[in-house]
Amino acid sequence: AQTVTQSQPEMSVQEAETVTLSCTYDTSESNYYLFWYKQPPSRQMILVIRQEAYKQQNATENRFSVNFQKAAKSFSLKISDSQLGDTAMYFCAFMKHAGQRDNDMRFGAGTRLTVKP
Amino acid sequence: DAGVTQSPTHLIKTRGQQVTLRCSPISGHKSVSWYQQVLGQGPQFIFQYYEKEERGRGNFPDRFSARQFPNYSSELNVNALLLGDSALYLCASSLPRQGGTEAFFGQGTRLTVV
Repeated sequence: AQTVTQSQPEMSVQEAETVTLSCTYDTSESNYYLFWYKQPPSRQMILVIRQEAYKQQNATENRFSVNFQKAAKSFSLKISDSQLGDTAMYFCAFMKHAGQRDNDMRFGAGTRLTVKP
Repeated sequence: DAGVTQSPTHLIKTRGQQVTLRCSPISGHKSVSWYQQVLGQGPQFIFQYYEKEERGRGNFPDRFSARQFPNYSSELNVNALLLGDSALYLCASSLPRQGGTEAFFGQGTRLTVV
């Protein structure tokens, strides 16, 4: 079974600074996807960034980037130039390769990020 | 284009009652998944349907059931409600494709059991 662990229940950062959220996972699969989702108070889960395990290059999306360490089963999210609108719950998620049965998403418990002005 | 839509947005039920939650996926998406998110926790997988067939089931009791219709919309049913069923129920749709897939979530149905 796949498990996802987020060891930081809460974090805070000053506006315009950089923050890193940690995530580790456990799996015996060799091909899979990792995601970071953002859930603001509106409840809508919004995809922040996605990483495919077979790609060695770390994914980046504007101010968001990941540090994917496959051997260590680590998948951290770095937010640069933090903005007030980044305040939200952040969830790390794992999914087996598309097309396989039981390729549901497994989520971590989340990290509550507060960006302070 | 409309995103994933869920109805109702809020619901209050009494213990022992039954509830049906509805989800309409993004047009063209054939996979629908249901998740339960208890306050302060991450979403927990309940069901996945693809092309009207159940593709996966999480560790939930038989009181939980679901189905997918020919238009790919889906319903989640919960019988004999317990106080512990109070949660945000999220529906996600996706279009599995080569190279990856992305799940798009609705805004959820907040179920309160009293």
